[in-house]
Amino acid sequence: GDSVTQMEGPVTLSEEAFLTINCTYTATGYPSLFWYVQYPGEGLQLLLKATKADDKGSNKGFEATYRKETTSFHLEKGSVQVSDSAVYFCALRLSSGNTGKLIFGQGTTLQVKP
Amino acid sequence: KAGVTQTPRYLIKTRGQQVTLSCSPISGHRSVSWYQQTPGQGLQFLFEYFSETQRNKGNFPGRFSGRQFSNSRSEMNVSTLELGDSALYLCASSLGLTYTDTQYFGPGTRLTVL
Repeated sequence: GDSVTQMEGPVTLSEEAFLTINCTYTATGYPSLFWYVQYPGEGLQLLLKATKADDKGSNKGFEATYRKETTSFHLEKGSVQVSDSAVYFCALRLSSGNTGKLIFGQGTTLQVKP
Repeated sequence: KAGVTQTPRYLIKTRGQQVTLSCSPISGHRSVSWYQQTPGQGLQFLFEYFSETQRNKGNFPGRFSGRQFSNSRSEMNVSTLELGDSALYLCASSLGLTYTDTQYFGPGTRLTVL
């Protein structure tokens, strides 16, 4: 079935380190792909999205490229800050069935130390 | 533009009771989706409403139900509460027109069942 797999956390980095969080997906057709972030005690915030192959989503220094050939949407940031500490979710939305359903990965906790 | 609001933010109930959660979408959004977030199961889709009609439903028992009003506000009801229903319940709104639409999440309602 349709699914999203993220690298397991927690990921612990020092401030200004390079971040990669891997995300791969299984889906029929050409889904839209999303990264959401959740800070403690809050809901989900959209970080970035890509809606077709080779699209690059970017926001606040974070980037992810929709790779159809490897069914991946890895999240990267060149220099993380303490304030980036949060849980990151990769998600997909199918292009068929006119559904609003988002399918999420299990989430990756990022902890950035000063 | 105001974001998605959810009320109440916190609820404590006992087993066997029922509960109603409310979600007000972003102005102009006609789609409201509900998700359950637990440490064990992660983020799971409950259902989606669009223009007062349920458009999609996840794999949850019939104790979980919802509805949407003409102003797009939505309510979710859980009857005969079980301990396992303790979770963060998130709603998300979107235009609901295409699979590329972004879903914007509210802060969630934290339900504790004792």
